[in-house]
Amino acid sequence: KNQVEQSPQSLIILEGKNCTLQCNYTVSPFSNLRWYKQDTGRGPVSLTIMTFSENTKSNGRYTATLDADTKQSSLHITASQLSDSASYICVVRYVNDMRFGAGTRLTVKP
Amino acid sequence: EPEVTQTPSHQVTQMGQEVILRCVPISNHLYFYWYRQILGQKVEFLVSFYNNEISEKSEIFDDQFSVERPDGSNFTLKIRSTKLEDSAMYFCASISGTGVEQYFGPGTRLTVT
Repeated sequence: KNQVEQSPQSLIILEGKNCTLQCNYTVSPFSNLRWYKQDTGRGPVSLTIMTFSENTKSNGRYTATLDADTKQSSLHITASQLSDSASYICVVRYVNDMRFGAGTRLTVKP
Repeated sequence: EPEVTQTPSHQVTQMGQEVILRCVPISNHLYFYWYRQILGQKVEFLVSFYNNEISEKSEIFDDQFSVERPDGSNFTLKIRSTKLEDSAMYFCASISGTGVEQYFGPGTRLTVT
């Protein structure tokens, strides 16, 4: 069954700290994996997209990793800011469909 | 920067009524999608559309749903007879011909009473 599991479900960190969010998937055959940031009540905004052959991709303070063998991805946020407070969603695409994770709700506190 | 737009931002309708949610994808994009997100739950894929036809649809996208690209710019989602459980945020998204970057609209909040 094609599933995407994210952990933790929620996370609270202090401003300036780093954090890592996890995504495990069972989707097959894999096409690509995306990380999105979704503010409450808004549409998701793309952070990174990774294909099978890519291990790491950075977008500013966001760095995503992908291990296609173990079917795991992570999103590392460096030097967090208050504006990073949002849900971070992992989405895995396969042949003609995609699966969304439930997201990790990140709260950055001053 | 080009963006996906959706109207209305909020739609309230009575159970059993038909609703049409509208989206204007980015102009040179070729792939179009509808998703929904019930409050507090994960985003769910509904349907994808390419070359004027549905390319993929989920189990959620039953006979009560239909999509159309009537005029080459708008992309609509119609729900024929709304149910209470259709209450959700509906997102439209589009991808360019290279099929890499996906852009989401701001969503339409549908409330069925």
